[in-house]
Amino acid sequence: QKEVEQDPGPLSVPEGAIVSLNCTYSNSAFQYFMWYRQYSRKGPELLMYTYSSGNKEDGRFTAQVDKSSKYISLFIRDSQPSDSATYLCAMSAGSGGSNYKLTFGKGTLLTVNP
Amino acid sequence: GAGVSQSPSNKVTEKGKDVELRCDPISGHTALYWYRQSLGQGLEFLIYFQGNSAPDKSGLPSDRFSAERTGGSVSTLTIQRTQQEDSAVYLCASSFDRANRQFFGPGTRLTVL
Repeated sequence: QKEVEQDPGPLSVPEGAIVSLNCTYSNSAFQYFMWYRQYSRKGPELLMYTYSSGNKEDGRFTAQVDKSSKYISLFIRDSQPSDSATYLCAMSAGSGGSNYKLTFGKGTLLTVNP
Repeated sequence: GAGVSQSPSNKVTEKGKDVELRCDPISGHTALYWYRQSLGQGLEFLIYFQGNSAPDKSGLPSDRFSAERTGGSVSTLTIQRTQQEDSAVYLCASSFDRANRQFFGPGTRLTVL
């Protein structure tokens, strides 16, 4: 079992739809959770960064972490064609040790159709 | 402010040749990371530098891979005797400290023929 599982999609939605992207993980030591957006042939761009469980909202984006279920989500409201990209979840352990090592999901390819 | 920059953006080489990939981190960032992104494999950690501390090289796939960071800033990833399986996008990231807000460069796309 891989440490981080992410459905690769592809996911295709109409403009304006609410998008839900998810990852599951197996390592209970993970404390930091991130979502990156990667456009084709570009580097990953940090979208959301959360610590431990709970919700975090930034504009049209909401990140949720449920540590009891080892499940994280990214919601995109009022999706736009410019949101079309690959979304990568990433996570790392808490303080100490190798907490700088990010473990990534394989990414979900999202297309928002105008 | 400038982000992480990498050069070259693309590199095509022949099997058996050596290649050097360069990374310029964000000014003031003390931590620097290299990752590899391969089709079907996702992003894999390669190496981590933090200040003057010994780097964490635990992710390097073989002894053909090495990296250095001079003056606490620019880093070079060297792959010796390249193989076709080395073909991938090599991404560099930096952060203010060993915390986890890592900011990535655009990557170097390496193709080994």
